[in-house]
Amino acid sequence: QLQLQESGPGLVKPSETLSLTCTVSGGSISSSSYYWGWIRQPPGKGLEWIGSIYYSGSTYYNPSLKSRVTISVDTSKNQFSLKLSSVTATDTAVYYCARIAVAGRNFQHWGQGTLVTVSS
Amino acid sequence: EIVLTQSPGTLSLSPGERATLSCRASQGVSSSYLAWYQQKPGQAPRLLISGASSRATGIPDRFSGSGSGTDFTLTISRLEPEDFAVYYCQQYGSSPVFGGGTKVEIK
Repeated sequence: QLQLQESGPGLVKPSETLSLTCTVSGGSISSSSYYWGWIRQPPGKGLEWIGSIYYSGSTYYNPSLKSRVTISVDTSKNQFSLKLSSVTATDTAVYYCARIAVAGRNFQHWGQGTLVTVSS
Repeated sequence: EIVLTQSPGTLSLSPGERATLSCRASQGVSSSYLAWYQQKPGQAPRLLISGASSRATGIPDRFSGSGSGTDFTLTISRLEPEDFAVYYCQQYGSSPVFGGGTKVEIK
C-alpha cells in the first residue's frame, strides 16, 4: 500500500529556507508512470500547487513561486524534497506531498500533510 | 493561466438530498485532465473523479462527474453523513490549478 510521509521543521524563521522531505513507501519513486509533487494549503484556504518532479530529475514549478522553489529527488532513498527560500508569514501552510499520475495528471495519493509556521 | 471558479461557495443540504457542484474554467480545458477531490477537516484531499467522469478506486457510485470544455459538474446523488466536506476541482493544462472549493454543509 502506497504511503507518503512529509517530514521537516514545523517552525521556520522569516527570510530563512523551508525544507521538507517526502518519503515514499510501498512503491518506487522511479516509476515512469508518475510525477511527485508538493502542494500547500494556508490555514482556512484552498490548495496551491508548488511544483513537481519526475524520477529523472525534471522539474516543473508554479510560476508564482519559481524564483524561490527547488525540488529534488533521491531515488536511492525513495524520497523527494522541497526547499522554499526567503519565507514570510504568507508561506505558513500545511504542506502536502503527492503522487501525480502522468496519464491523467491528477493527484492520486497524498501524504497526511505537515504544518509549517513562519514566525520569529 | 487557466482559472477555475467553483460555485456555489457553500451548499447547505440535508442527508439524502442531491448535491450539484459546478466548476467553470476561464478557457477550455481537456476533460482528460479534469479531476475532483474531497477534503474533510484535518485530512488530506482524496481523489474522487479523474478524466472528468471516471471514479477513482473505491469511490461510491453516488459520486459522478460530467462536463466538457469550460463547464464541469460533480454530482452526489444522495448525500450520506460522511459526504459533508469541501470539494475541489483541478485541471492540468500547462501546470496544475485548483478551484477555490465548494463546502457542502449540513442544513
